[in-house]
Amino acid sequence: TQLLEQSPQFLSIQEGENLTVYCNSSSVFSSLQWYRQEPGEGPVLLVTVVTGGEVKKLKRLTFQFGDARKDSSLHITAAQPGDTGLYLCAGHNSGGSNYKLTFGKGTLLTVNP
Amino acid sequence: NAGVTQTPKFQVLKTGQSMTLQCAQDMNHEYMSWYRQDPGMGLRLIHYSVGAGITDQGEVPNGYNVSRSTTEDFPLRLLSAAPSQTSVYFCASSFSWDRLNYGYTFGSGTRLTVV
Repeated sequence: TQLLEQSPQFLSIQEGENLTVYCNSSSVFSSLQWYRQEPGEGPVLLVTVVTGGEVKKLKRLTFQFGDARKDSSLHITAAQPGDTGLYLCAGHNSGGSNYKLTFGKGTLLTVNP
Repeated sequence: NAGVTQTPKFQVLKTGQSMTLQCAQDMNHEYMSWYRQDPGMGLRLIHYSVGAGITDQGEVPNGYNVSRSTTEDFPLRLLSAAPSQTSVYFCASSFSWDRLNYGYTFGSGTRLTVV
């Protein structure tokens, strides 16, 4: 069974601060995705990373895939209240009969004004 | 574009009742799946389908049935509801299983309470 561990589980910060959340596994993934989920809604895809060492930027969000494709991080610069939500990472392995994503349990981020 | 539509948004059932959670997508996605989300447990896969007429079990399939007669629809049936099935249910779709790299589109969820 492939597991994805996310840390921290909860994070509460003030507007304008920077933060990093982590997604780690002992397994190798062919790609890793990050989603954000707001209360009462389904997760929304933010980014997919597929190459070891890859870095992608989405405005103030920076995503990195580890060189060994076992871990990933999400860094938010100058957090805003609109960044509040549950951040989920999900790993996928192509090939074989593994037709699914493995989700971490998420990091619940609260950005206070 | 409606994306993935789930109905109902809220439902209360009595133990032993049956019901069907509806999921429809208008993006011509081959791959569809059902997840449940519980506090502290994350998203757990119930059933999935890689195309019309093909379904398979995920991590927590007991107590649930699915069918996929069309590309667009993937209903989830609870045969005899139990309090342990109280959860938020999400339907998700993607282009195809080998293009999961492109990510899932999720519905907005069904919050089910079994009393």
